[in-house]
Amino acid sequence: GAVVSQHPSRVICKSGTSVKIECRSLDFQATTMFWYRQFPKKSLMLMATSNEGSKATYEQGVEKDKFLINHASLTLSTLTVTSAHPEDSSFYICSARPTPGGRYEQYFGPGTRLTVT
Amino acid sequence: SQELEQSPQSLIVQEGKNLTINCTSSKTLYGLYWYKQKYGEGLIFLMMLQKGGEEKSHEKITAKLDEKKQQSSLHITASQPSHAGIYLCGAARSSNTGKLIFGQGTTLQVKP
Repeated sequence: GAVVSQHPSRVICKSGTSVKIECRSLDFQATTMFWYRQFPKKSLMLMATSNEGSKATYEQGVEKDKFLINHASLTLSTLTVTSAHPEDSSFYICSARPTPGGRYEQYFGPGTRLTVT
Repeated sequence: SQELEQSPQSLIVQEGKNLTINCTSSKTLYGLYWYKQKYGEGLIFLMMLQKGGEEKSHEKITAKLDEKKQQSSLHITASQPSHAGIYLCGAARSSNTGKLIFGQGTTLQVKP
């Protein structure tokens, strides 16, 4: 089956530093990937759509300068949290749509737990 | 208010009992997904429904999408402790974007 990996699975960083999270589709290509954020005991919230070779599109209320997304290849999207603050601590999950693939086909990564101290 | 409402928000059942979780939208659902999540872990795909009236089953879990495509139910038969976790429904916002919105989740505990 289609597998999406995320790295790292857990990261702790200090306030003011930046941290990069990788999302990889291991056995398929993905023109489009999505980044979600999940607060404790809350649902997933879509942050942005990552498009290979073009700029990401952000959902309303998500700061694009704070959450930098790069989709440099058909198998890799990265999310960089810049100048992290404790309120950025969260669980970040990516998903990837296979290209080609079914209209509603997408696969989720295992998530990355970010803790900002 | 949530675009997707799940009910109940939490559920405690005795092992062996049946249970149902509902997911309701005020708009037409495109590509309704059901996932299971252990706290702090990724999403485990359960099923995806597209067509009104569609029903799918996997082991002891059955999901249905109603005819008007605005509600889905997830039914677990003879629950086991391994069924415990958070169940999330997700829906595509349109037929071609792939963006998903999620319900708030239903936390299921199964008592041995």
